[in-house]
Amino acid sequence: DTGVSQDPRHKITKRGQNVTFRCDPISEHNRLYWYRQTLGQGPEFLTYFQNEAQLEKSRLLSDRFSAERPKGSFSTLEIQRTEQGDSAMYLCASSFSAGTYEQYFGPGTRLTVT
Amino acid sequence: QKEVEQNSGPLSVPEGAIASLNCTYSDRVSQSFFWYRQYSGKSPELIMSIYSNGDKEDGRFTAQLNKASQYVSLLIRDSQPSDSATYLCAVNFNSNSGYALNFGKGTSLLVTP
Repeated sequence: DTGVSQDPRHKITKRGQNVTFRCDPISEHNRLYWYRQTLGQGPEFLTYFQNEAQLEKSRLLSDRFSAERPKGSFSTLEIQRTEQGDSAMYLCASSFSAGTYEQYFGPGTRLTVT
Repeated sequence: QKEVEQNSGPLSVPEGAIASLNCTYSDRVSQSFFWYRQYSGKSPELIMSIYSNGDKEDGRFTAQLNKASQYVSLLIRDSQPSDSATYLCAVNFNSNSGYALNFGKGTSLLVTP
């Protein structure tokens, strides 16, 4: 059983550029979550999908952020017109939709906006 | 505002001792509680989940939940230097719309040889 994978692991971009991250969940999991974590803070929820449907979005998810999960498998998170404040670790997690709802995290994508 | 509170530490314990990590949360209808371990520069790793009042043991770890007091704790017995990490408490506030986890800022644990 492979875990959650994320790509890329690190991304350095210049302010104003667009970036896209990918997450592949654990194969049996139909829920997929995106979180953002900055230094010294716990992860903050951004959005989640059940299958291909995006069911919840945090107010943190400004209109520069968009997430998709087109076939209910992998997901992408795109940030348009990046700002220095977007620098953070972007974490993806997945879970079953029934039972314990335990969420398992991928290794994260560390974004640095210069 | 639904919140999860943890003492940021650092909590320093000698090798072999019991480490006690505490967490309080603000919403009485919360149903699911989790402890994650996070090493520096790495992602959170799930170590314990607890859903009902009382204790739940898994190896050297014991999670304790008291919903009336809105309090959840993690005990680590026979602490090892490899346990040195940040421990994150996470709560699902069981909102109508979703299953997002709300995290505390974490408690830094240092186990000294």
